[in-house]
Amino acid sequence: QKEVEQNSGPLSVPEGAIASLNCTYSDRGSQSFFWYRQYSGKSPELIMSIYSNGDKEDGRFTAQLNKASQYVSLLIRDSQPSDSATYLCVLDTGRRALTFGSGTRLQVQP
Amino acid sequence: DGGITQSPKYLFRKEGQNVTLSCEQNLNHDAMYWYRQDPGQGLRLIYYSQIVNDFQKGDIAEGYSVSREKKESFPLTVTSAQKNPTAFYLCASSMSVATNEKLFFGSGTQLSVL
Repeated sequence: QKEVEQNSGPLSVPEGAIASLNCTYSDRGSQSFFWYRQYSGKSPELIMSIYSNGDKEDGRFTAQLNKASQYVSLLIRDSQPSDSATYLCVLDTGRRALTFGSGTRLQVQP
Repeated sequence: DGGITQSPKYLFRKEGQNVTLSCEQNLNHDAMYWYRQDPGQGLRLIYYSQIVNDFQKGDIAEGYSVSREKKESFPLTVTSAQKNPTAFYLCASSMSVATNEKLFFGSGTQLSVL
């Protein structure tokens, strides 16, 4: 079983819709959770972090964490074509460097 | 401007050749990392370093070597033992491994085999 599971996509949503990106993980010791965005051919950039169960909102982005279900998600409201990218779910298990998922490719259709 | 500089942007390796990817940071970060990314896949950790003159193997260290003689520099050598080196290589840094919340990435090096 992979440590971090993401649907590779592409997830296609119309402009203005809500995009929902999901991630499950296997290590119950995971302490911190992050979403990185990566445009094609570019390096990843941190967009959200979440540490406790519940929701965390930042502008159009909302991260949701459920440690009991080992599930973390990212919602993007009012999706824009500029949001089209690959979104990487990333964990800090406290053991060593961060663990990256393979990413979900999001396409926002104008 | 503070940041991480990787060079070259594109690199070609011949059969049996060792090549070195450069990574320099001026963020005064203690921790540095090398990741490999294959198409459609996430980042896999090759090596990381918490302080100068110390480094640890990641998940896919075979066929690679690193050094950390200076805080600012963490070069990666892809040796001839790495039989499938074609990939996008990313260098990153953070304040420390213990507080690796935010990784700062370089712009990457695309390595291809001739």
